[in-house]
Amino acid sequence: AQSVTQLGSHVSVSEGALVLLRCNYSSSVPPYLFWYVQYPNQGLQLLLKYTSAATLVKGINGFEAEFKKSETSFHLTKPSAHMSDAAEYFCAVTPSGGSYIPTFGRGTSLIVHP
Amino acid sequence: KAGVTQTPRYLIKTRGQQVTLSCSPISGHRSVSWYQQTPGQGLQFLFEYFSETQRNKGNFPGRFSGRQFSNSRSEMNVSTLELGDSALYLCASSLERESQGSYFGPGTRLTVT
Repeated sequence: AQSVTQLGSHVSVSEGALVLLRCNYSSSVPPYLFWYVQYPNQGLQLLLKYTSAATLVKGINGFEAEFKKSETSFHLTKPSAHMSDAAEYFCAVTPSGGSYIPTFGRGTSLIVHP
Repeated sequence: KAGVTQTPRYLIKTRGQQVTLSCSPISGHRSVSWYQQTPGQGLQFLFEYFSETQRNKGNFPGRFSGRQFSNSRSEMNVSTLELGDSALYLCASSLERESQGSYFGPGTRLTVT
């Protein structure tokens, strides 16, 4: 069984500030981990993915995430927030073996203040 | 390269009716997955098709079904619609399987009245 917990349904930051979106997972087998972003009235866009290579993963739009096995975490960060980063962010986990059914977190809404 | 397309974008149906949604994956992608997104339940996996075969299935009743054609295009069908089926239905495609990360379409907004 697997699950994903995103801490904080809403995160508010000022433009230029650090963005930190938290994701913790549980998985009975080594997982693949993903972050997606969803803008209003659109589908999800893949930001980055961890598939057991480097633990620090760089994605699009300046985002990156670090896989920490000991903490079962995969937090998403960006050094400086832009207004255009305001969106819903989803963390997802897929087992690396067996069925590949993904589990998504409930999402975190990122609000960026000018 | 064109992205994932879904038709129609918006749909209004009445309880008891059935509905068919369509998805065209990115060219060359062989895996197509379907998701239901609602405010209450979040994003839930419905099923995945690969080479015209259902490869994985989520925990949804048999009223939800799908198929994939030889050109990888996919359809999902919901029969005997219930009010709770109102949701955004998202289609996602990937090269071989979900573990590689998926490309999502804009979704079909289904409203059941």
